[in-house]
Amino acid sequence: DIQMTQSPSSLSASVGDRVTITCRASQSISSYLNWYQQKPGKAPKLLIYAASSLQSGVPSRFSGSGSGTHFTLTISSLQPEDFATYYCQQSYSTPRTFGPGTKVDIK
Amino acid sequence: EVQLVESGGGLVKPGGSLRLSCAASGFTFSSYSMNWVRQAPGNGLEWVSSITSSSSYIYYADSVKGRFTISRDNAKNSLYLQMNSLRAEDTAVYYCAREDDILTGQNWFDPWGQGTLVTVSS
Repeated sequence: DIQMTQSPSSLSASVGDRVTITCRASQSISSYLNWYQQKPGKAPKLLIYAASSLQSGVPSRFSGSGSGTHFTLTISSLQPEDFATYYCQQSYSTPRTFGPGTKVDIK
Repeated sequence: EVQLVESGGGLVKPGGSLRLSCAASGFTFSSYSMNWVRQAPGNGLEWVSSITSSSSYIYYADSVKGRFTISRDNAKNSLYLQMNSLRAEDTAVYYCAREDDILTGQNWFDPWGQGTLVTVSS
């Protein structure tokens, strides 16, 4: 199975800050990497697919990059509604493993 | 509007069984692979099982293999998860999710249902 790790596990940031979350895969997954946002008590929501493609309706302040084993999710200017937990997920092989999540909260 | 609605969760004793359902609407259900993903309280996301559009291919996480059975009824636009021999560690919110993809082979989960809580406790 492909193991996914994320760093940091949590971070505190202010509105307007630039935030970067890193995701690493235990083996190369090309660009088969997706990012999800989850707010408390809610279902996950797709933000980015195929490492860098923005899902329809997702604000352009979200962007993804990377390939192989190293990926990043960047929020260019953090907004109040962005405080949530973010998960990466590989879709290269089954089982479709998720990272442990990065919780973004208010500083 | 594309929508997934889970049902069937509840409290069950260890060793018991439960059947979850996921009702799909707003899209051609029979054209998509579907998945179950769970989230234990306070924990992250764990993929559980997937089924292709015509049920030709079915996959399970090792943690549920031999105990859970995924199925679908395309005529009823419904996805199911039969859970047997339940354990305390199966306690989680269970989400159904549509698997979307493009011709390059890339795929992702979108949308997700609101989830249904399964609690395994004596």
